[in-house]
Amino acid sequence: QSVLTQPPSVSGAPGQRVAISCTGGSSNIGAGSDVHWYQHFPGTAPKLLIYGNNNRPSGVPDRFSASRSGTSASLAITGLQAEDETDYYCQSYDSDLNGWVFGGGTKLTV
Amino acid sequence: QDELVESGGGVVQPGRSLRLSCAASGFTFSDFAMHWVRQAPGSGLEWVAFISYDGSRQQYSDAVKGRFTISRDTAKNTLYLQMNSLTLEDTAVYFCAKEGKEWSGGNYYYPLTYWGQGALVTVSS
Repeated sequence: QSVLTQPPSVSGAPGQRVAISCTGGSSNIGAGSDVHWYQHFPGTAPKLLIYGNNNRPSGVPDRFSASRSGTSASLAITGLQAEDETDYYCQSYDSDLNGWVFGGGTKLTV
Repeated sequence: QDELVESGGGVVQPGRSLRLSCAASGFTFSDFAMHWVRQAPGSGLEWVAFISYDGSRQQYSDAVKGRFTISRDTAKNTLYLQMNSLTLEDTAVYFCAKEGKEWSGGNYYYPLTYWGQGALVTVSS
């Protein structure tokens, strides 16, 4: 059971918009800990997608954006493309656990 | 160009030990904190351990505390994970990851900016 809760799967048609939620608690997202998002194609190295409030590393298209409110965060992907189909993870820091935590991951189907 | 290459994975019996290595290049290794993250078969990413840029501070997940030790050798630009008393639940792909220090909008952020390809550890009798 992950400390950060994500939906196991989401889906959308090409060109559409999807959002992936990440629900935490008062000791992580609700405490103001930063939330980061990663894209992971199985069998490869995970890739940083969004860091902090809504910052994209160089090379990440602006179709990807993030937001947060209270104890939750959300990753939005607009203009869905077939190449976006893979797994996405949120990550934060938990002060009760004194450690970093990941969401359970969400499989996006396009 | 950052590069992280894990090695040392393999098949090991329950109760035995294994040491993973992560060779870093393309950046000043001694300037950055590092992490180990694992992914068990059919599961998501799980944070395992952290070490500060100078090796003075380590943190562990409850699942591995007391059994695993993270360390680093600046002269060799290498990160290590010593895994003792392995159990079946430790079977996973283990990734090393570099913790970045990113400046944006007046704040610093510390995401895992670069990851290795992973090393498979299988604990089986």
